[in-house]
Amino acid sequence: GESVGLHLPTLSVQEGDNSIINCAYSNSASDYFIWYKQESGKGPQFIIDIRSNMDKRQGQRVTVLLNKTVKHLSLQIAATQPGDSAVYFCAETAQGAQKLVFGQGTRLTINP
Amino acid sequence: GAVVSQHPSRVICKSGTSVKIECRSLDFQATTMFWYRQFPKKSLMLMATSNEGSKATYEQGVEKDKFLINHASLTLSTLTVTSAHPEDSSFYICSATQGFEETQYFGPGTRLLVL
Repeated sequence: GESVGLHLPTLSVQEGDNSIINCAYSNSASDYFIWYKQESGKGPQFIIDIRSNMDKRQGQRVTVLLNKTVKHLSLQIAATQPGDSAVYFCAETAQGAQKLVFGQGTRLTINP
Repeated sequence: GAVVSQHPSRVICKSGTSVKIECRSLDFQATTMFWYRQFPKKSLMLMATSNEGSKATYEQGVEKDKFLINHASLTLSTLTVTSAHPEDSSFYICSATQGFEETQYFGPGTRLLVL
């Protein structure tokens, strides 16, 4: 079946550095992508989204890049802070499909 | 905006009892609500999709008689775990969408422990 993402990796960065979290997707029909942040014991929190007619979108301290050619999505977090520690999930869906398909997630840890 | 709540946040029950979890959209009308299950250090697994006033659509492998879903209004969906057993212990999370938007907004989750 279709799948999104990689096995759960862990990314450790120094506080203040930039973080880049990657995600691969396999459904070429997907046209809408979302990044979620999930802190321990909480539900996922919407961070940023992007549609397939764009290749880059910026928010506050976050940027999402979409490369449809290689089916790759990334989340860049600028000036990483301790509060950014969490598991980050990418999710994708195709137009008309109600369901989101989630990746396996990446755990981001911040070193002081 | 787009706040989703869940109640209870944590529940412990004895094996064989039933547990009801509520999911509410607080500041919007949710045309569709979703129920997920999440095991430790794993991703979210969709259990069912629920549209207001109609029967839920369950994912393959999810027992609809075990996990009863009711979406009685545009702001409330409930998940009832019937005759719960220890293997049903998990983190259950709901989400909701507004109108025809695809973005799902998630509740804080409910941790169920069945003894």
